[in-house]
Amino acid sequence: DAKTTQPPSMDCAEGRAANLPCNHSTISGNEYVYWYRQIHSQGPQYIIHGLKNNETNEMASLIITEDRKSSTLILPHATLRDTAVYYCIVRPVYTGNQFYFGTGTSLTVIP
Amino acid sequence: GAVVSQHPSRVICKSGTSVKIECRSLDFQATTMFWYRQFPKKSLMLMATSNEGSKATYEQGVEKDKFLINHASLTLSTLTVTSAHPEDSSFYICSAPGPNREQYFGPGTRLTVT
Repeated sequence: DAKTTQPPSMDCAEGRAANLPCNHSTISGNEYVYWYRQIHSQGPQYIIHGLKNNETNEMASLIITEDRKSSTLILPHATLRDTAVYYCIVRPVYTGNQFYFGTGTSLTVIP
Repeated sequence: GAVVSQHPSRVICKSGTSVKIECRSLDFQATTMFWYRQFPKKSLMLMATSNEGSKATYEQGVEKDKFLINHASLTLSTLTVTSAHPEDSSFYICSAPGPNREQYFGPGTRLTVT
């Protein structure tokens, strides 16, 4: 079962930062936070993941609160191609590799 | 990065027939792979875990006799939808775990049952 809550939709102006929140208040100490996105009619694309420290890669930054009960995915300079559904997923480190998807946030980048 | 492929990308079949969907990990080995289905405007739902060398593990509510899974090798898993019905029409996606705890997803297969 998905253990995350995300707003169903968000808009962001092109060129601005997109900040996508995720609530995972029941996260356990051995669970990672993952972010994926899905562009229409394609398979999900990996973005980033973290355990408790903030993470950054070429696509995005992941900010995890100190109590780990929520996180924010930041796309620093949103483009039209970032329009997609963004999924926040928590998954245990050691018990299997299954991913259970929640409802995600549909991000629309506006020109 | 690691790539997962699926074949076919889209398929149309008649009610009552069976259709096979292949999932391949192209540059890495995967002892487990996962199958999802996705209805329009809905999220991905995990159907089953495909295990190389052993039986697949199905999620609650998924009929194992209808959705046959075979993990033939360390790079190939197949999903066969048997006796397909129009309500089986969906987007089927597979995934495989990568070396750094990430999951790589295939591009999906659009199944339409007429």
